[in-house]
Amino acid sequence: DAGVTQSPTHLIKTRGQQVTLRCSPKSGHDTVSWYQQALGQGPQFIFQYYEEEERQRGNFPDRFSGHQFPNYSSELNVNALLLGDSALYLCASSYDRATGELFFGEGSRLTVL
Amino acid sequence: SQQGEEDPQALSIQEGENATMNCSYKTSINNLQWYRQNSGRGLVHLILIRSNEREKHSGRLRVTLDTSKKSSSLLITASRAADTASYFCATTNAGGTSYGKLTFGQGTILTVHP
Repeated sequence: DAGVTQSPTHLIKTRGQQVTLRCSPKSGHDTVSWYQQALGQGPQFIFQYYEEEERQRGNFPDRFSGHQFPNYSSELNVNALLLGDSALYLCASSYDRATGELFFGEGSRLTVL
Repeated sequence: SQQGEEDPQALSIQEGENATMNCSYKTSINNLQWYRQNSGRGLVHLILIRSNEREKHSGRLRVTLDTSKKSSSLLITASRAADTASYFCATTNAGGTSYGKLTFGQGTILTVHP
């Protein structure tokens, strides 16, 4: 049973560019959340998708957008990249919305030059 | 923004010793969870304790929760070199549909020397 998979694992972009990160949730999971983890910090919640809609959003600008597809996979898009967007982007899926326990992927490490 | 603080920021111990990490948070919670992260990779869920529970065990892990002090502790007994990792507490806020929206602490870096 595959866990949460993310792609790409590493990527380098320059300021002003746009990036798309992808996530496939664990089998049987219908909810996907995205987190940003800067170096030496704890993860910060970006947003959550359920039934192809953004259900909750953290304190991130509109440059951060997402999408969930009918097969529950998800994309995170970041426009007009800034140096400060350099981070590990983590996708997490869940099936038990009552407990909040999340299953995380290995992350996509984005470096903005 | 981070929910709270974890203490200590870094902990270095010998194999076989116990490791205790503390977490404080600011708002009322539904539950508190602990996650482990190896070297900047994905997080792995360790244990969840609900707001109406005071203590929970799972293998070598023991978690306590004091909602009056808004704090939790994670005890790892008989530590092993393989326990070397960063440990994060994360809370789900009380009220509303905050499913999947976890607020993480800054983490404790645990190093276990063989």
